[in-house]
Amino acid sequence: GAVVSQHPSRVICKSGTSVKIECRSLDFQATTMFWYRQFPKQSLMLMATSNEGSKATYEQGVEKDKFLINHASLTLSTLTVTSAHPEDSSFYICSAIWGVNTEAFFGQGTRLTVV
Amino acid sequence: KNEVEQSPQNLTAQEGEFITINCSYSVGISALHWLQQHPGGGIVSLFMLSSGKKKHGRLIATINIQEKHSSLHITASHPRDSAVYICAVWRMEYGNKLVFGAGTILRVKS
Repeated sequence: GAVVSQHPSRVICKSGTSVKIECRSLDFQATTMFWYRQFPKQSLMLMATSNEGSKATYEQGVEKDKFLINHASLTLSTLTVTSAHPEDSSFYICSAIWGVNTEAFFGQGTRLTVV
Repeated sequence: KNEVEQSPQNLTAQEGEFITINCSYSVGISALHWLQQHPGGGIVSLFMLSSGKKKHGRLIATINIQEKHSSLHITASHPRDSAVYICAVWRMEYGNKLVFGAGTILRVKS
């Protein structure tokens, strides 16, 4: 299957700082990328959907000023957690597709710990 | 009631056993995914199917659109198959949005 690379896999940051997570599709052009958050022992929760060259669509309850998403090219989307707080500590994972309702490919995920 | 229901929630098997994980959904879909999530967290797409049956190695996925049901089978299970298996559907009305089941935690003992 296609490869989606997510970086970093693990990050620890101090409260109040910002953290950027990158999601790259390595061997295909991703027209849409998704950002998910996963709490322990729970399923994936969609945070936002980003289409290349346009603003991300955020799910209800997700603060767009706190979780900044940029999808500047067909192979790269970034999620920036701004002014991080301990409650932002979680597992974040991206996925990418080409087209509509096609096979989704997932990154390795990022474990964020805010201290 | 969740739109995507998986069973069982937890499954422990002996190495070599045949395993079946079930997924039922209550909405119209365009396709269904079976995903595998390992303890490290990364997710691998095993299958995407919209009809019939697909096979890859020891894994077989089937879907019955009329009954709104899919199964994932693992033949000759191995400890390395231990993971969380997640069923997810592309809902017709949502466009590009996957709806996930809660996952099945599989542990294969040697």
